[in-house]
Amino acid sequence: EVQLVESGGGWVQPGESLRLSCAASGFTFSSYWMNWVRQAPGKGLEWVANIKYDGGEEYYVDSVKGRFTIFRDNAKNSLYLQMNSLRVEDTAVYYCARDGVDAGVYFDSWGQGILVTVSS
Amino acid sequence: DIQMTQSPSTLSASVGDRVTITCRASQSISSWLAWYQQKPGKAPNLLIYKASNLESGVPSRFSGSGSGTEFTLTISSLQPDDFATYYCQQYNNYRALTFGEGTKVEIK
Repeated sequence: EVQLVESGGGWVQPGESLRLSCAASGFTFSSYWMNWVRQAPGKGLEWVANIKYDGGEEYYVDSVKGRFTIFRDNAKNSLYLQMNSLRVEDTAVYYCARDGVDAGVYFDSWGQGILVTVSS
Repeated sequence: DIQMTQSPSTLSASVGDRVTITCRASQSISSWLAWYQQKPGKAPNLLIYKASNLESGVPSRFSGSGSGTEFTLTISSLQPDDFATYYCQQYNNYRALTFGEGTKVEIK
């Protein structure tokens, strides 16, 4: 059974940093693109970033480029999101999501989500 | 980036109704479209991928159709468990993935 478990969320002040982690199990982690998707309170879903199975490519939504970094450790079956220079508008539940088994990048498995609150 | 527009934003329906949700892309995305269901406080759940392929374990009352710029998600006979918010997502460009704004299906 695929399991994705996020950790590292919490409350921070604007301008501060936070690192999210996602522990994966139940599948061959090193064979899949992985993603972070977020959802602001009461709002819709927003894709944040993704990373190729070997870490060789990574892409970001424009609003986080230069501030967030996605990376992975295939030896530890773990995905990370380093978030710097956090803004109030980054407040959201952050989900770790696995790429689907068919061609293309869609999300067939999701973690339970972790809340990040940015507020002064 | 490719913009995804869903309609309606809210839909009121009764158990047993046939429900259709539309998703339009700002440019052609071929069949690179997925649909998700999300219930309050829970992670989204994949229903449909590549526009019309039913994800394993998803009830057959859900179906998807369309290609190019216009897509639909249909629930053939709405069940109590189906009251939720539904999102489309394009993956024609894996470097810039985008979701629709969501459609909330409410009890009439």
